Amino acid sequence: DGGITQSPKYLFRKEGQNVTLSCEQNLNHDAMYWYRQDPGQGLRLIYYSQIVNDFQKGDIAEGYSVSREKKESFPLTVTSAQKNPTAFYLCASSIGGGANVLTFGAGSRLTVL
Amino acid sequence: GESVGLHLPTLSVQEGDNSIINCAYSNSASDYFIWYKQESGKGPQFIIDIRSNMDKRQGQRVTVLLNKTVKHLSLQIAATQPGDSAVYFCAENSGSWGKLQFGAGTQVVVTP
Repeated sequence: DGGITQSPKYLFRKEGQNVTLSCEQNLNHDAMYWYRQDPGQGLRLIYYSQIVNDFQKGDIAEGYSVSREKKESFPLTVTSAQKNPTAFYLCASSIGGGANVLTFGAGSRLTVL
Repeated sequence: GESVGLHLPTLSVQEGDNSIINCAYSNSASDYFIWYKQESGKGPQFIIDIRSNMDKRQGQRVTVLLNKTVKHLSLQIAATQPGDSAVYFCAENSGSWGKLQFGAGTQVVVTP
């Protein structure tokens, strides 16, 4: 089955540590995205990538970093510079840019202790 | 409707009744709209989409209505079932590459 796999599903981190969230897709989609979701709020865009080896900041990129070395993979690193990292993180992909449906993964919940 | 904050608007619906979820969007230049359903602890799932050159689109048990004059979008669910209990988000594409803007969501609770 085609889809998006995020791991880990749950992650605990101590303050000051960097963590990397994995996102892999086998949909052959060119575009990939990372969103953050906080309780009672909509999704906010962190980073997106239109094509391999290229990515752009979204609305809340500070304290995060990404890479896009392969079409299938778009890992997100939550750095110690992110002041409030506890959240639900969602990875998505789409066939291309513009007006296209995003397919989401199941999410990763990060808790900072 | 949509709101920002910790408390989502909640729509309580009796099983078998029709549900109407509303969304006010902000950008008159938005040309594409999507409704997503998100169950607790899961990623959003696509329900239905509509482009700005249409005012109505129907799917299986769902209908999306778009009123560009007042920048309003609604999702109608016919014969609501317990499995429809979830948070529903509307999203708009305002023309920027692939950047959907999501509303805060509406919690739908289906009661027996």
